[in-house]
Order: sequence, then structure tokens, then C-alpha cells
Amino acid sequence: DGGITQSPKYLFRKEGQNVTLSCEQNLNHDAMYWYRQDPGQGLRLIYYSQIVNDFQKGDIAEGYSVSREKKESFPLTVTSAQKNPTAFYLCASSIVGTSGFNEQFFGPGTRLTVL
Amino acid sequence: SQQGEEDPQALSIQEGENATMNCSYKTSINNLQWYRQNSGRGLVHLILIRSNEREKHSGRLRVTLDTSKKSSSLLITASRAADTASYFCATDPITQGGSEKLVFGKGTKLTVNP
Repeated sequence: DGGITQSPKYLFRKEGQNVTLSCEQNLNHDAMYWYRQDPGQGLRLIYYSQIVNDFQKGDIAEGYSVSREKKESFPLTVTSAQKNPTAFYLCASSIVGTSGFNEQFFGPGTRLTVL
Repeated sequence: SQQGEEDPQALSIQEGENATMNCSYKTSINNLQWYRQNSGRGLVHLILIRSNEREKHSGRLRVTLDTSKKSSSLLITASRAADTASYFCATDPITQGGSEKLVFGKGTKLTVNP
């Protein structure tokens, strides 16, 4: 059963805490992405990775960090430096295209709330 | 600013009617994609249309692309209550360094009333 999973579904963070969101895929995709979605808004790119051990900042990388040690996994850490982290976080993966971006497959999301 | 902007922001129709959503963008693109998102869930890819294509169909979905007007439309025919969701367009803009990212619009919230 191929797909992309995220955990946990809901996460609560206290002020000053770092938290890590998990994203795993078994689709054999090289590219993985993290997006943030705020209510009534589109998706904003946080980080993306097109190959193991390499990743690039997106539009809103400040206060976030990632790692890509394995092809299947792309965890996102929300650090205490992120001042407004309450949002819905979506992970996605895709095949790396040669002529533009291919379709992205999304996980079910993690809703992060700061207490 | 947003590359892709959907119009209308919200749309409410009766079951069986057709729903049309539009997306406008600013720069040249490699392709344009439409996604659906049910409330509180991840996005699901619907259709990808390349810049050299004008129309694509998938089941009850029809997507058109007009690169001269920098716009696309998504038509859902014979809508069902299960089509209730938010629909997003995402553009793959052509940049000097090659493709960098998909750029998502804010979405159209579609409600199909039974």
C-alpha cells in the first residue's frame, strides 16, 4: 500500500519548545516538500529536497529546519525561533521532472497548535 | 504576490449543476495543476496541463488553459455532494534557474448542496 504518511495528526507545543513533525513515503520519490497552510490561504513552501542529503529553503524557512538522511523520510523541526507556528503542515513528494514539476502526492497533514 | 489566483473565492451550487472555477497567473509557466482538498485533509492531484496543451479531460473534470490570457479554468460537470471541497491551482513558473517550486493559489471553496 503505497503512500505518504505524516505523524502526529495533532500536535501541541508550548512556548519555547522545539517540535518535530514526521513525514515518510514509500513511493520511491526523490523529491519531498514541506508546506504550511493557514486558514483560508494557499500553501506556502517551507523547505524542499530533491535528493538525499540535500535540501533547499522555500519562501518561509525561517524558524524551521529539516534533514534528509534517507530517501523515505523528511522530518520538519519547528523551532522556538518560529514566532507564529500555529498552522496546518503538509508534506508532499514527487518524481523529479526533467521539464517542470510533476504532480505532488500529499500526506494527510499535521495540525500544530501553540499553547 | 500570488502567482495563481482562483476566482471565485467561494461557490455554492445544487447537485447536478456544473461548477466552473478560474485561475489567473502572472508569468510564463511550464505547467499548471489543479488539486482538491477536503476539509482538514491533504491535497489530492486532479489534473496537470502543460503549457503547450489547451484542454484536458478526466472523468467529469475539464481543464482549459489559455497562455495568452494567462488563465485556466476547471469545470466539474454534473456535480455531486462529494465534490464539496476547496480547489487549488498550482503553477510551475518558468524562471532563469529552471523550475524551482509550485506556486499555489488561495483556492476556491466549492459547496454542492444535495
